[in-house]
Amino acid sequence: GAVVSQHPSWVICKSGTSVKIECRSLDFQATTMFWYRQFPKQSLMLMATSNEGSKATYEQGVEKDKFLINHASLTLSTLTVTSAHPEDSSFYICSASGRSDSKTEAFFGQGTRLTVV
Amino acid sequence: GQNIDQPTEMTATEGAIVQINCTYQTSGFNGLFWYQQHAGEAPTFLSYNVLDGLEEKGRFSSFLSRSKGYSYLLLKELQMKDSASYLCAVQDSNYQLIWGAGTKLIIKP
Repeated sequence: GAVVSQHPSWVICKSGTSVKIECRSLDFQATTMFWYRQFPKQSLMLMATSNEGSKATYEQGVEKDKFLINHASLTLSTLTVTSAHPEDSSFYICSASGRSDSKTEAFFGQGTRLTVV
Repeated sequence: GQNIDQPTEMTATEGAIVQINCTYQTSGFNGLFWYQQHAGEAPTFLSYNVLDGLEEKGRFSSFLSRSKGYSYLLLKELQMKDSASYLCAVQDSNYQLIWGAGTKLIIKP
């Protein structure tokens, strides 16, 4: 099946610094990429949706200036958490969607566990 | 509004069968997914239903009734490694995934 590679798997950063998370679709063209956040014992929460070459659409309550999303190509999207704070500590997951076997499926990256200290 | 309901937690015995239900109300429907998620890991794809009926894949089967807004995931011959959260997600008319909160499945020996 299709593969989505997310990097890094985990990161610890100091409060006030920025962290970039990469999401790559390795063997298909991802027309749409989704970024999710998951707090412990909670469901996945969609943060934003991005289509290649256009600005991301953010969900209500998600700060655009804090969570910068770039989807410059059909195989790469990045999420940058700017000026991170301890409350941003969470599990971030990307998902790439493209046409595959006549149906649209969403394939997930491995996830990134961010800890802000 | 859009809503996905599934039980919070279920317990089953190793070797047995368990059925996890999911009901949904969404604006449009372009398919229903079941994912398995072990603690600390990203979800992994289990099944996809877009037409009514049963899809069987090894020990796992998924059923869909679009008229009832209902799906279930059936797990047979349960193994300890099946202990995980099972997430139901519906793809709406905009092809966005609407997620349920997940069902934590606990397998006992």
